Amino acid sequence: EVQLVESGGGLVQPGGSLRLSCAASGVTFSFYWMSWVRQAPGKGLEWVANIKQDGGEKYYVDSVKGRFTISRDNAKNSLYLQMNGLRAEDTAVYYCARLGIGDWHFDLWGRGTLVTVSS
Amino acid sequence: SYELTQPPSVSVSPGQTASITCSGDKLGDKYASWYQQRPGQSPVLVIYQDSKRPSGIPERFSGSNSRNTATLTISGTQAMDEADYYCQAWDSSTGVFGTGTQVTVL
Repeated sequence: EVQLVESGGGLVQPGGSLRLSCAASGVTFSFYWMSWVRQAPGKGLEWVANIKQDGGEKYYVDSVKGRFTISRDNAKNSLYLQMNGLRAEDTAVYYCARLGIGDWHFDLWGRGTLVTVSS
Repeated sequence: SYELTQPPSVSVSPGQTASITCSGDKLGDKYASWYQQRPGQSPVLVIYQDSKRPSGIPERFSGSNSRNTATLTISGTQAMDEADYYCQAWDSSTGVFGTGTQVTVL
């Protein structure tokens, strides 16, 4: 079965750190650009970051630049998001998503993992 | 920063046509995609490259994009189409989602 499964979410204090993981199965992970997208409670979708197949290109939304780092391990079919300096406004469900080949559209999504930043 | 604007809500009767607009500066020069998100579920791609349907998406979903507006059209709307819908585009390698539209099937 083709799927993406996120893990690593939880409750963290402001200023703290968290590392999210996304395990891909049933797909040739190394063929695709990958992304993180988040959704604050009751709010809309927000793109967070992209990473190229070989990890050589990365892009971030301005609000997380310098605090979040996207990475991947193709040997483990895994995507990661290291989140440092967390703020209350980072509270959201974080989705791992695959970018379709040919142009960038999110053609496969995980079920998400909830990150809550609160004291 | 680039912005995409959608109407907050659209209401439609079963069997009728629902149209959801997505407005952005020169959006027609970019590819637009659309996502359906039912309550408590992950988003699902329903339209990409303005008007293409992924495998498994019903033919009643169609899309267009011209000038400053992309449009998602649901023909013969069914109760199962009740969901939030988001448009999305890229601006210089930065992803932008629309504000989202809640579709209610009355």
